[in-house]
Amino acid sequence: NAGVIQTPRHKVTGKGQEATLWCEPISGHSAVFWYRQTIVQGLEFLTYFRNQAPIDDSGMPKERFSAQMPNQSHSTLKIQSTQPQDSAVYLCASSSGLGVYEQYFGPGTRLTVL
Amino acid sequence: GEKVEQHESTLSVREGDSAVINCTYTDTASSYFPWYKQEAGKSLHFVIDIRSNVDRKQSQRLTVLLDKKAKRFSLHITATQPEDSAIYFCAASRTSSGQKLVFGQGTILKVYL
Repeated sequence: NAGVIQTPRHKVTGKGQEATLWCEPISGHSAVFWYRQTIVQGLEFLTYFRNQAPIDDSGMPKERFSAQMPNQSHSTLKIQSTQPQDSAVYLCASSSGLGVYEQYFGPGTRLTVL
Repeated sequence: GEKVEQHESTLSVREGDSAVINCTYTDTASSYFPWYKQEAGKSLHFVIDIRSNVDRKQSQRLTVLLDKKAKRFSLHITATQPEDSAIYFCAASRTSSGQKLVFGQGTILKVYL
């Protein structure tokens, strides 16, 4: 079991560019979560999928952020027109599903917007 | 919205002593309370959790206490070791609404010799 896989581990973009972050959940897990971690804001929930369907995107900045889960083996978080305030560590987590709540976190992608 | 407050930003204890980290939450519908450990440069690692149907849970040197009336929960670490040094995050969620976690701000635990 390789755990939750996130790629790339580090990404540097220029202001206004697009960034796509990838997450591969633990095999067999039906729930995928995205969080963001910064020194100032701490850990913030972004969005959540269950069985590939979007369930809750209440934490997503509405205009430039989007997330998808096209199949059970990966999810993507896309940030358009990146801004310096988007710089953060983006964490993906997965859990096995209803009735089991423990979330396993990936190593994160550190996004730096210059 | 839901908030989780972690009361100790930093905690220093001597090796072998006990450490206690306290959290409070605002959402009375919260029913699941996990704790995560984050070592320097690493991601979050699950350590222990408690559900609202119990008020105490123990796993080896870790014990979580939950006081639903006070909307407070705490992590107790006994016989601390240097490898316990890390940032500890408490979190809460409404399992009925999809399990998204609301995190506290984190407590830096330092265990010194």
